[in-house]
Amino acid sequence: DAGVTQSPTHLIKTRGQHVTLRCSPISGHKSVSWYQQVLGQGPQFIFQYYEKEERGRGNFPDRFSARQFPNYSSELNVNALLLGDSALYLCASSFMTGGDGYTFGSGTRLTVV
Amino acid sequence: EDQVTQSPEALRLQEGESSSLNCSYTVSGLRGLFWYRQDPGKGPEFLFTLYSAGEEKEKERLKATLTKKESFLHITAPKPEDSATYLCAVPGGATNKLIFGTGTLLAVQP
Repeated sequence: DAGVTQSPTHLIKTRGQHVTLRCSPISGHKSVSWYQQVLGQGPQFIFQYYEKEERGRGNFPDRFSARQFPNYSSELNVNALLLGDSALYLCASSFMTGGDGYTFGSGTRLTVV
Repeated sequence: EDQVTQSPEALRLQEGESSSLNCSYTVSGLRGLFWYRQDPGKGPEFLFTLYSAGEEKEKERLKATLTKKESFLHITAPKPEDSATYLCAVPGGATNKLIFGTGTLLAVQP
């Protein structure tokens, strides 16, 4: 079985640009969460989606948005990129929204220059 | 406010030298405590879930334990391949979002 897949694995963007990150959850998992991990820190919660609806949002500016599609895959969008947005963006899938088990993808390394 | 604190920030061990990592937590109503291993540039890899004080789980050279205020990850006779960052997390809020500590960077030297 395929795990959580994220694309792209790496990308470099310029300040002010827009970026879209993609995530495909484990087959059968209906919930996708996004986390930002800055170097040397633990992951920070950005969004949680379940059955295509936003169920939670972390303390991030409105430049961050996300959505979940009917096949449960998800996109994270970041507008007007800042240098401080440089981080590893992680997607986690779970069957429901409970804390019973989150499986993480390998992440997308975003560098903003 | 829900919070997770891990110590030490970094730990260097000789191969075979056992030690423990600490995870202290403050959460309203514990709904589980998760341990993850993270290799550089990779996503966290699930290790254990603990749900109640007194619970213990083992996997190879790792054993996780839980009290009402903290969890320990015991590493027995570590090998260089155990070198990684170990993250602790608890579900918090209405959505069970994971609240992570900053991790312990473990380096095991041959």
